[in-house]
Amino acid sequence: GENVEQHPSTLSVQEGDSAVIKCTYSDSASNYFPWYKQELGKRPQLIIDIRSNVGEKKDQRIAVTLNKTAKHFSLHITETQPEDSAVYFCAASEGGYQKVTFGTGTKLQVIP
Amino acid sequence: DGGITQSPKYLFRKEGQNVTLSCEQNLNHDAMYWYRQDPGQGLRLIYYSQIVNDFQKGDIAEGYSVSREKKESFPLTVTSAQKNPTAFYLCASSTGQGHYEQYFGPGTRLTVT
Repeated sequence: GENVEQHPSTLSVQEGDSAVIKCTYSDSASNYFPWYKQELGKRPQLIIDIRSNVGEKKDQRIAVTLNKTAKHFSLHITETQPEDSAVYFCAASEGGYQKVTFGTGTKLQVIP
Repeated sequence: DGGITQSPKYLFRKEGQNVTLSCEQNLNHDAMYWYRQDPGQGLRLIYYSQIVNDFQKGDIAEGYSVSREKKESFPLTVTSAQKNPTAFYLCASSTGQGHYEQYFGPGTRLTVT
């Protein structure tokens, strides 16, 4: 089955700096890679996703890159703000109704 | 916060008792999922269902059971066979039709003593 590894487990950055979270996956059949943000005491919410036919996707201060050959994908947050502080999860899936395998999460702390 | 709901928010049980966690959605989603969240372990899939009256085991199904008699509902039973049931349980749903986002419920924190 799919195995998703996520690093680092914790990350502290100064406000305004960039943050990068990296994930690797094992199953070459995976073609959908979402990122979820979970604020303290709240439910996870999708912030960005990428499909295997695309190498990079941006949404304002957030971007995701995918390297299918190396089986890794990354989340980039620029100009970090205190409200970016949360736990971020990467995931991999074959899409559709298929199961989604999540990484172990990265706790991001943005220091004002 | 409508769309997908879980109840109760907190649940306390004695060891040896079965307990059922509720998950309901009014999003008309075909697929529903149950995850267990433990500190440092991310979200681990317990069971998922792609259609009514059908479901598949996830990565940690032992000690759990589910049913999917209605499209809107996907209850999870934590049985006495589950060795470490204390955890935060999240339910999710998705359309699965070209748009793969999973919508999560608010979660149920189960404590077994």
